[in-house]
Amino acid sequence: QQQVKQSPQSLIVQKGGIPIINCAYENTAFDYFPWYQQFPGKGPALLIAIRPDVSEKKEGRFTISFNKSAKQFSLHIMDSQPGDSATYFCAAKILTGGGNKLTFGTGTQLKVEL
Amino acid sequence: DTGVSQDPRHKITKRGQNVTFRCDPISEHNRLYWYRQTLGQGPEFLTYFQNEAQLEKSRLLSDRFSAERPKGSFSTLEIQRTEQGDSAMYLCASSRGRGAANEKLFFGSGTQLSVL
Repeated sequence: QQQVKQSPQSLIVQKGGIPIINCAYENTAFDYFPWYQQFPGKGPALLIAIRPDVSEKKEGRFTISFNKSAKQFSLHIMDSQPGDSATYFCAAKILTGGGNKLTFGTGTQLKVEL
Repeated sequence: DTGVSQDPRHKITKRGQNVTFRCDPISEHNRLYWYRQTLGQGPEFLTYFQNEAQLEKSRLLSDRFSAERPKGSFSTLEIQRTEQGDSAMYLCASSRGRGAANEKLFFGSGTQLSVL
């Protein structure tokens, strides 16, 4: 059972474009939603995270938009650069009483072309 | 911080053999996690330690898998009687374990297991 659905599977944008990656979750108990970036041969690294009490969070060129009623959240990368080419994973977690398990989406392979 | 260290980086084994992986978390991180990642998928939670205590195990962790963290520092993950379906990247992560439940996880680069 896939609790966090992520799309698209892959994405190609031009330098300076704004790639958008979408995730949807099923479990309403989730209350913490991080995004991770993974380069080939490396482990995932935390990019940005959001709690459901806010609808948007920005950190540098990365923005999370959150729609609690739709159970959806998305990552926007402003002014994308070739160095942003990586695989991006959304994830979800239950902070209280949910242990410490992160449930990940299936990933989006982003390529930013010059 | 020197980062989370995993050894070996790559392991090729024959079906039926036992393998053991090691993870050295960031110094003074109390929480340690094991995840498994297959090609084209996100990491899947396997198990979690708070110091030396194994507090949570996924149903994915069959009885062929065992993890230990004997002194609350490094951890080992052993797979007995490996099967081809065990081929995956095994990721270790750690966190400070003293703060909020949303504290940052630091992942290692993983051990890539190939079972022939």
